[in-house]
Amino acid sequence: AQKVTQAQTEISVVEKEDVTLDCVYETRDTTYYLFWYKQPPSGELVFLIRRNSFDEQNEISGRYSWNFQKSTSSFNFTITASQVVDSAVYFCALSEPSFQGAQKLVFGQGTRLTINP
Amino acid sequence: DSGVTQTPKHLITATGQRVTLRCSPRSGDLSVYWYQQSLDQGLQFLIQYYNGEERAKGNILERFSAQQFPDLHSELNLSSLELGDSALYFCASSSPPGTGGAGYNEQFFGPGTRLTVL
Repeated sequence: AQKVTQAQTEISVVEKEDVTLDCVYETRDTTYYLFWYKQPPSGELVFLIRRNSFDEQNEISGRYSWNFQKSTSSFNFTITASQVVDSAVYFCALSEPSFQGAQKLVFGQGTRLTINP
Repeated sequence: DSGVTQTPKHLITATGQRVTLRCSPRSGDLSVYWYQQSLDQGLQFLIQYYNGEERAKGNILERFSAQQFPDLHSELNLSSLELGDSALYFCASSSPPGTGGAGYNEQFFGPGTRLTVL
């Protein structure tokens, strides 16, 4: 069975600090996909990144960076120089390859990030 | 804007009642997914339809049912509502299999329907 664990329920930091959100996953598939979504106070789910299991290169997008380590089954997300607008709930998710069109996302419990001015 | 629309945005009803949530997928998408976000269970997958047929099922209660119509819109029916059914219900859609690359079809989420059962 697939499982995603986000051990940090809530994180609170002061603006401009760097913050890392942890994500650990479990799957028996050798091919899988990992995601991060952001849910701001308005409630919608905003897609941030998708990573394939066969691509372990880290990725940087502006102030956001992701560290994927298959050896530890982790896919951590770092925000550099955090801003108040980064305050949101962040979800890590996992999906196996679609089979005959069937597909689902398994989400972690989410980490509520609060950036204080 | 993901292109996925959900109606209504908010719904308030009483225990024991039945409600219908509606989702219109992005143009060209054949798959529709339903997810429930509640305080107790977090964000969990309920069910997927592909071109009118059920394709994958998650932890969906027997009191809940869904369907996808020929015009590809989908409805999620919740009956005999309980207080614990209060949640945010998301719909997502994706393109047909094989067009997403590398065995995954990107899911685009709608804004959600917030259901409150009193």
